[in-house]
Amino acid sequence: GQNIDQPTEMTATEGAIVQINCTYQTSGFNGLFWYQQHAGEAPTFLSYNVLDGLEEKGRFSSFLSRSKGYSYLLLKELQMKDSASYLCAVRSRDKGGTPLVFGKGTRLSVIA
Amino acid sequence: GAGVSQSPSNKVTEKGKDVELRCDPISGHTALYWYRQSLGQGLEFLIYFQGNSAPDKSGLPSDRFSAERTGGSVSTLTIQRTQQEDSAVYLCASSPSSFQETQYFGPGTRLLVL
Repeated sequence: GQNIDQPTEMTATEGAIVQINCTYQTSGFNGLFWYQQHAGEAPTFLSYNVLDGLEEKGRFSSFLSRSKGYSYLLLKELQMKDSASYLCAVRSRDKGGTPLVFGKGTRLSVIA
Repeated sequence: GAGVSQSPSNKVTEKGKDVELRCDPISGHTALYWYRQSLGQGLEFLIYFQGNSAPDKSGLPSDRFSAERTGGSVSTLTIQRTQQEDSAVYLCASSPSSFQETQYFGPGTRLLVL
């Protein structure tokens, strides 16, 4: 089976740093994605990890540990516009390594 | 360039009616995916097309759901005899190919079955 867990909601202060965790259990692994989704809009791609370690992209970084089935998304210098849902998704070999299996998303609220 | 487009943006229908949802992928993308996002739930895979290969239909929840992709481009998702539990946002995504490629999502069709 496949299971992706992430916190339902988080709140953080403008200018601060927030870490959103994701744990996964899949019978095969072929990459982990983070997407951002503002209310009523399409998910937009943030990051992709297939090897262990940290990928940095501006204010956003994503980390992967395949042995622990664990990833996190790190958002620095939070801005009000970062208030959105953050979706963790895994590409599993169960489905020919292609369709993504998504967690339920973490709704982040950035407050002043 | 143009992104993934979907139509209609919103659809309200009565229980038992059939609906068709349309997806125009990014030009040149050979892989196309349909997902469903219900309130409080994660995105759920429905069906996947890659080029001229037979589609992966393993995520379709029932035989009331079907999809086709004509000419390797536009796709239509059809839901027959809609039920209230079909109410959700239906998202389409495309990628340049299938293997290790980022999927780009359309804005979705919000379906409400009364």
